[in-house]
Amino acid sequence: DAGVIQSPRHEVTEMGQEVTLRCKPISGHNSLFWYRQTMMRGLELLIYFNNNVPIDDSGMPEDRFSAKMPNASFSTLKIQPSEPRDSAVYFCASSDQGFGELFFGEGSRLTVL
Amino acid sequence: GQQVMQIPQYQHVQEGEDFTTYCNSSTTLSNIQWYKQRPGGHPVFLIQLVKSGEVKKQKRLTFQFGEAKKNSSLHITATQTTDVGTYFCAGSHPMNRDDKIIFGKGTRLHILP
Repeated sequence: DAGVIQSPRHEVTEMGQEVTLRCKPISGHNSLFWYRQTMMRGLELLIYFNNNVPIDDSGMPEDRFSAKMPNASFSTLKIQPSEPRDSAVYFCASSDQGFGELFFGEGSRLTVL
Repeated sequence: GQQVMQIPQYQHVQEGEDFTTYCNSSTTLSNIQWYKQRPGGHPVFLIQLVKSGEVKKQKRLTFQFGEAKKNSSLHITATQTTDVGTYFCAGSHPMNRDDKIIFGKGTRLHILP
């Protein structure tokens, strides 16, 4: 059974450009989470969805960040415009029981020049 | 805000020595999870503790949840090179209807041969 699938694995872009990260959760999981990982701040929860509905987006840094989950099998995290301080690894995770065991994707490493 | 503090930040041990990482919360936790992240990898779920004073073992790993459900520890006996990685605790704080997981910043374990 496939795990959480994220794309792209690596993205290098210039400041000001739009970045879209994609996630396919494990089939049947009804909760989806976006985390950002940096050395300084560790793993930060950006937003999580339950049954495709955003439950808590208090971790989203600012208006430049937005996330959508149009259906149970797909979610996007968009940064527009991107800034160098957005450079990080972005993880998507899914769960079949809210904040139970989280299954993480392999992450998208973003570098903003 | 709600935080989960984890110490130490780094630990270097000789192969065969024991290792312990500690996790503390200022508020009572609903439950606590532990994850391991190999260098360049993604967090992988190890275990979840729910009950006050709970102790669980997985081979050389022993997990404890404090009586007050505010602290937890992970102890590895006789470390091996395969134990290298960062160990994260993740505490679930009751918040309205949903428990929100907060990750500690992790303890990076380095094994000296």
